[in-house]
Amino acid sequence: NAGVMQNPRHLVRRRGQEARLRCSPMKGHSHVYWYRQLPEEGLKFMVYLQKENIIDESGMPKERFSAEFPKEGPSILRIQQVVRGDSAAYFCASSPGLAGSRDEQFFGPGTRLTVL
Amino acid sequence: AQRVTQPEKLLSVFKGAPVELKCNYSYSGSPELFWYVQYSRQRLQLLLRHISRESIKGFTADLNKGETSFHLKKPFAQEEDSAMYYCALKGGTYKYIFGTGTRLKVLA
Repeated sequence: NAGVMQNPRHLVRRRGQEARLRCSPMKGHSHVYWYRQLPEEGLKFMVYLQKENIIDESGMPKERFSAEFPKEGPSILRIQQVVRGDSAAYFCASSPGLAGSRDEQFFGPGTRLTVL
Repeated sequence: AQRVTQPEKLLSVFKGAPVELKCNYSYSGSPELFWYVQYSRQRLQLLLRHISRESIKGFTADLNKGETSFHLKKPFAQEEDSAMYYCALKGGTYKYIFGTGTRLKVLA
């Protein structure tokens, strides 16, 4: 089991461009979570998705950010018209969806987004 | 408000010395507390959780509800313990709240 995969590992964008971050969950995991880590801060929850459903997007900025987890393929975090403040490390985690405290989240290596 | 505080950004200790990484939390219900570790160039991984009451790689952490703390301890630090350590709280069924992390440097 290769673990949670994220790509690209590093992404450089100019202001106004779009950034697409991909996350492939661990085999057998149907739940995906995205976190953002700004410089000097802890990881902050952004969104929780199951296949074809957004369960909780309370941590997502209201504009420019969107996430999806289609029936086939990886989960995508999309940032439109990036600004310098979007520069951060974006982590994806996945879990099997077990009940209660047994449902451990496993983290990917992260994508470091730099906006010039 | 739900919050996790790790007051130290950097903690340097000598090999063989005791280590204590501090973590305080704010949560209105019964929290689940975790410690995650990130070694250089590796992904974030779970070190231990309070409900398991286990010792991993010599580390232990006790949940103190009175002091709202979950400090990570190890009696004798080793060089391979050098890493970034994050304390996290699980608020509800899935939402993790992370502290800002403490970088532990174990000096030879």
